[in-house]
Amino acid sequence: GAVVSQHPSRVICKSGTSVKIECRSLDFQATTMFWYRQFPKKSLMLMATSNEGSKATYEQGVEKDKFLINHASLTLSTLTVTSAHPEDSSFYICSAINRGSAYEQYFGPGTRLTVT
Amino acid sequence: QKEVEQNSGPLSVPEGAIASLNCTYSDRGSQSFFWYRQYSGKSPELIMSIYSNGDKEDGRFTAQLNKASQYVSLLIRDSQPSDSATYLCAVNMNSGYSTLTFGKGTMLLVSP
Repeated sequence: GAVVSQHPSRVICKSGTSVKIECRSLDFQATTMFWYRQFPKKSLMLMATSNEGSKATYEQGVEKDKFLINHASLTLSTLTVTSAHPEDSSFYICSAINRGSAYEQYFGPGTRLTVT
Repeated sequence: QKEVEQNSGPLSVPEGAIASLNCTYSDRGSQSFFWYRQYSGKSPELIMSIYSNGDKEDGRFTAQLNKASQYVSLLIRDSQPSDSATYLCAVNMNSGYSTLTFGKGTMLLVSP
């Protein structure tokens, strides 16, 4: 149980284009999902908290107009990186709360984004 | 500033030994504590959660929590080379709210 998937696992895009990453909870309903970014050999950085049916809460320094988050259902949240630039190249990881398991957070496998 | 502190390591242990990973946190009101394992290039995997003082055992893993000392640890018995990874300590610093504060992680190297 508590499986979280992400798609795509790896994406290469050109500078200026937009990329959408999907995060799905496969066997539980997730009213809350999180989006993280991790640069090589660095720690996880929380970007935003995504709540089903409401606007995401962004961490300080994260541009909400650049990183669009939609959590339209209890099993799906999407992160769209708009007008991507090479400095947006990173490992993007989502996680979801399984409320049936005392707020344990389960992570998806991550999406490696490379912007050329 | 609410913080979670871990020694970055690497912590090197021989195969079969006990690996001891430590974590301290700043918010005395913290309620939930988690250990994640992260292999290089992969996402974190939840391996232990602990909510009350004392020890919690799951297979070769034992989590220990001391809220008075604001200290949580993870013991790995009979360490295997496959345990070599970065171990992240995470703390829920607000009861009922879900955001976790992560430490920077301790790299564990288990040599054959």
